[in-house]
Amino acid sequence: DSGVTQTPKHLITATGQRVTLRCSPRSGDLSVYWYQQSLDQGLQFLIQYYNGEERAKGNILERFSAQQFPDLHSELNLSSLELGDSALYFCASSAKWDSPLHFGNGTRLTVT
Amino acid sequence: GEDVEQSLFLSVREGDSSVINCTYTDSSSTYLYWYKQEPGAGLQLLTYIFSNMDMKQDQRLTVLLNKKDKHLSLRIADTQTGDSAIYFCAESGNNDMRFGAGTRLTVKP
Repeated sequence: DSGVTQTPKHLITATGQRVTLRCSPRSGDLSVYWYQQSLDQGLQFLIQYYNGEERAKGNILERFSAQQFPDLHSELNLSSLELGDSALYFCASSAKWDSPLHFGNGTRLTVT
Repeated sequence: GEDVEQSLFLSVREGDSSVINCTYTDSSSTYLYWYKQEPGAGLQLLTYIFSNMDMKQDQRLTVLLNKKDKHLSLRIADTQTGDSAIYFCAESGNNDMRFGAGTRLTVKP
């Protein structure tokens, strides 16, 4: 158990809808990262937060947004969903920016 | 941009050693990592090595780093069927972490 908790485990929704994925980092970790894993794109970095502030941005679409709250949990919001958004979404946390990342078990999103 | 590359597939027989290779391009990397992903699960941190080291051993796992050639390898001794998974190489540096595409290791009985 990595100590990173993601909910829900599975999500099935229709195109055009909006969903929110939730992540609780390991106790004491200040950094939260979001990754998307799909069969054809591999593991894609989306965004990183450190202690509530956005720190780095990767290949995150404008339809997606995220935030980290004062209690350090994070949410990833995906809107106007398309079939191609179907993927595994992972959250990871670390103590500081160059520390090892610890991953949650992911949320599997299926857009129909 | 900086890249991390690894071969996509490796197949070995149970009891043999497995060697998974990775190359990277960022010379400012601080740490290099190996993660394991089993079906339906997240990425599990297996081991990592600081960029000024050249070897790290942890039970059946040996990590070798050739910083001059920017080459990282993971050797699994006495490979078991439970080692079948996807192995990701990753490097961190410059406020960023980059992953390879993963090597799918298949262990045949």
